[in-house]
Amino acid sequence: LAKTTQPISMDSYEGQEVNITCSHNNIATNDYITWYQQFPSQGPRFIIQGYKTKVTNEVASLFIPADRKSSTLSLPRVSLSDTAVYYCLVMNRDDKIIFGKGTRLHILP
Amino acid sequence: DAGVIQSPRHEVTEMGQEVTLRCKPISGHDYLFWYRQTMMRGLELLIYFNNNVPIDDSGMPEDRFSAKMPNASFSTLKIQPSEPRDSAVYFCASSLVLRSYEQYFGPGTRLTVT
Repeated sequence: LAKTTQPISMDSYEGQEVNITCSHNNIATNDYITWYQQFPSQGPRFIIQGYKTKVTNEVASLFIPADRKSSTLSLPRVSLSDTAVYYCLVMNRDDKIIFGKGTRLHILP
Repeated sequence: DAGVIQSPRHEVTEMGQEVTLRCKPISGHDYLFWYRQTMMRGLELLIYFNNNVPIDDSGMPEDRFSAKMPNASFSTLKIQPSEPRDSAVYFCASSLVLRSYEQYFGPGTRLTVT
C-alpha cells in the first residue's frame, strides 16, 4: 500500500514559486514528514523535515496543516537547476520507511 | 567526511552470475539502508541495519537477495543468481537515528543483468 500520494509530474517556469503537495492520510502521531530531492544519476538528498505548522530553511519551506494528513513543499523562485524528482517520506506506525513515487518537477526557461 | 561510498558504480553481468554490491556508510552513523530504484517501482527499501544488525528485511524481493553488515563501516548486498529483472540502480544510505532522521545516500550502483 502506498503511504504517500504526490502528483506524478509538474512543470513551472524560472522565477516562479512551486508548491508540491503530498497526501499522507495514515500518518502516525510521532511521525515526521521529510522531503528529498533527486537529480538524475544521483542519490536522493534531504532538503527539509517537519512535524507541524511551518518549517523554513535556505532551500524550501514546508507547510503542514493541523490534521497533518498532507504537507506542501514550497520552492521559492525556482531555477533550471531545481529540475529534479521530489519525494515525500513519512514514518508509519511500524517504522517502515516508505518513499512516495515522487514528483518530477520540470523547470522551463 | 567523504559521504556514503558505493562500489562499483556500474556493473554489467550475465544472467545467473553472482553480483556483490558494496557500501561504506558515513562514520558514526548507526543506521544503514539498501534501496533499489527502477522506473516502474520507484525507490524501494530493501533492508536496513541498526548497529550492524538487520532490523527489517521485508523489502528483500526473494531469497536470491542477501545483505550483510560485518562491521560498522562495511555492508554488502548480494544477488545470486542474478536475473534481468534485477536490473536497477541500488542505493545505500546511512543515518544517525531512525525516526528524526536525515538519510545520506551514496551515488548508487547501476546494475545491468543481460
